[in-house]
Amino acid sequence: QSVLTQPPSASGAPGQTVTISCAGSSSNIGAPYDVHWYQQLPGTAPKLLIYGDNNRPSGVPDRFSVSKSGTSASLAITGLQAEDEAHYHCQSYDRSLSASVFGGGTRLTVL
Amino acid sequence: QVQLVQSGAEVKQPGSSVRISCKASGGTFSVHWVRQAPGQGLEWMGRIIPLFGTTKYPQKFQDRVTITADKSTSTAYMELTSLRSDDTAVYYCAKGVVICNNYGCYREYNWLDPWGQGTLVTVSS
Repeated sequence: QSVLTQPPSASGAPGQTVTISCAGSSSNIGAPYDVHWYQQLPGTAPKLLIYGDNNRPSGVPDRFSVSKSGTSASLAITGLQAEDEAHYHCQSYDRSLSASVFGGGTRLTVL
Repeated sequence: QVQLVQSGAEVKQPGSSVRISCKASGGTFSVHWVRQAPGQGLEWMGRIIPLFGTTKYPQKFQDRVTITADKSTSTAYMELTSLRSDDTAVYYCAKGVVICNNYGCYREYNWLDPWGQGTLVTVSS
């Protein structure tokens, strides 16, 4: 069981907007600690997608954005493209566990 | 851009140990280890700041994981002992950001970038 909770799957048609949630608690996201997001294409290592407050590494398009409220965070992908089909993982820090924690990952399917 | 290169796949018997290497160079940073069991999410196993050799582990892995670093070869290692079948997973190293001076590191950020290519460890009799 992951400390952060993500839906196992999400889907959308090309051009649509999809939102993936990441639910935590008062000891991690709500503490508040930063939430980071990773994209994992099939058969590859995770890649940093967004870190901290909506910071995107070089090369990540602004179609990807995040929001945070209370003990939850969300990743929004606008203008969905076929190449966005991947697993998405959220990460934060948990002060009770004194550890980095991840969500279980969400598999995004582009219809 | 720092690149992380990991050692190759391993097949181990239950009860044995495995040691995985991760070569990373270029500046001051932390090296984290994260694993992913088949079809599962990511799990943080600990980290080391190679410059000072300081480590941190989650309680779950404190008794079975040892992370070390060889500054002369810019290589970090993760050893997992008392292997069980549920340790079968892909193990990744990844770079974290730390801000340090001559006396130690006073700021740490836990986002991870980049990641190594992963090392598959299969535990089977």
